[in-house]
Amino acid sequence: EAQVTQNPRYLITVTGKKLTVTCSQNMNHEYMSWYRQDPGLGLRQIYYSMNVEVTDKGDVPEGYKVSRKEKRNFPLILESPSPNQTSLYFCASRINPTMNTEAFFGQGTRLTVV
Amino acid sequence: TQLLEQSPQFLSIQEGENLTVYCNSSSVFSSLQWYRQEPGEGPVLLVTVVTGGEVKKLKRLTFQFGDARKDSSLHITAAQPGDTGLYLCAGGLSGGGADGLTFGKGTHLIIQP
Repeated sequence: EAQVTQNPRYLITVTGKKLTVTCSQNMNHEYMSWYRQDPGLGLRQIYYSMNVEVTDKGDVPEGYKVSRKEKRNFPLILESPSPNQTSLYFCASRINPTMNTEAFFGQGTRLTVV
Repeated sequence: TQLLEQSPQFLSIQEGENLTVYCNSSSVFSSLQWYRQEPGEGPVLLVTVVTGGEVKKLKRLTFQFGDARKDSSLHITAAQPGDTGLYLCAGGLSGGGADGLTFGKGTHLIIQP
């Protein structure tokens, strides 16, 4: 089954404690991205990756890092989480970033930073 | 600046009624996608429209892309409780950077039995 898998689904952490949210896709997609979803603000892109070892900032990259060492994995790293990073996070993949291709989303990670 | 404006933001109607939600922009898009997101899940693609004036039907859902490719609408006939969810439009911008997808903020739809 084609899917994007995120872990964990839920996470409560304290300010400043480094964390990683994992994302893996089994569709051999070139393009992967991370979004955060907040009430009233919609989906906002954090980082994206065109392919292995190629990453770039999205609209709201501050406080986040990513890596793309393998095609299937695209982890999101919060080096020093702060309460304003409390949000619902989604990883997505597309076969390539052309306009008409479908974005496949993971089930989301609900992060709370206290 | 929000490139895609969706309206209404919230809509609650009774089962069996018809409804239309809108996705508008001042920008021209090469394509437009509609996604539905259910609580606790990620968005799932419903349809992609590419040609100005294009109409696509998916059972009781009708999607239309404006002639000028600046707007789109989603019409649901005889809404059912299973249609409840967040509907997102996403536009593809030709030459608009590597991402190519810009999402609207969504329409929260509740269909009451």
